[in-house]
Amino acid sequence: GENVEQHPSTLSVQEGDSAVIKCTYSDSASNYFPWYKQELGKRPQLIIDIRSNVGEKKDQRIAVTLNKTAKHFSLHITETQPEDSAVYFCAARFMEYGNKLVFGAGTILRVKS
Amino acid sequence: GAVVSQHPSWVICKSGTSVKIECRSLDFQATTMFWYRQFPKQSLMLMATSNEGSKATYEQGVEKDKFLINHASLTLSTLTVTSAHPEDSSFYICSAQQGDSNQPQHFGDGTRLSIL
Repeated sequence: GENVEQHPSTLSVQEGDSAVIKCTYSDSASNYFPWYKQELGKRPQLIIDIRSNVGEKKDQRIAVTLNKTAKHFSLHITETQPEDSAVYFCAARFMEYGNKLVFGAGTILRVKS
Repeated sequence: GAVVSQHPSWVICKSGTSVKIECRSLDFQATTMFWYRQFPKQSLMLMATSNEGSKATYEQGVEKDKFLINHASLTLSTLTVTSAHPEDSSFYICSAQQGDSNQPQHFGDGTRLSIL
């Protein structure tokens, strides 16, 4: 079935430290993996995405890595700041199910100053 | 770019009322729009996918007659919650996608629906 598992559910880090969130997916044909940041009561905002033809993508302090063989991908945030505190969702596009995005359960990231 | 506007942002109404939520792509044409429901502290659950000019595709367990979706143009989709009841209270979010399925989805601000 369509499933994206996300870990951890909550993550607390000290300001300046790195944060890593991991996701696994079930559909080996999935080829698109976005990450969204959602602040309380607000819209999910796309922060980075990766397609299956690359293994890593970086945008300033944010990077995403993809291991297609193992069917997992990770979000890396370096030099965390208090404004990085939010809920982060990973997603995978499931080709088998009409190309829809299936979201992980979310990770609450708290950056302590 | 890629701005999606959703209205209203907050609705409080009596049980039995029908509520319409609008989702507009402001600076691009949305080939496909999606409607999600999000419960507190939970993930986004896809309710339906709509393509301009055709009937929406509903996810398993979502009542078509309860949640009416219209996608009349490339910039507007509407979700109508018919005869709403307290259990329909939730945060509803739309997203819009330009082009094929490999393009990102851009989300609206969401609508918090409270049924008394």
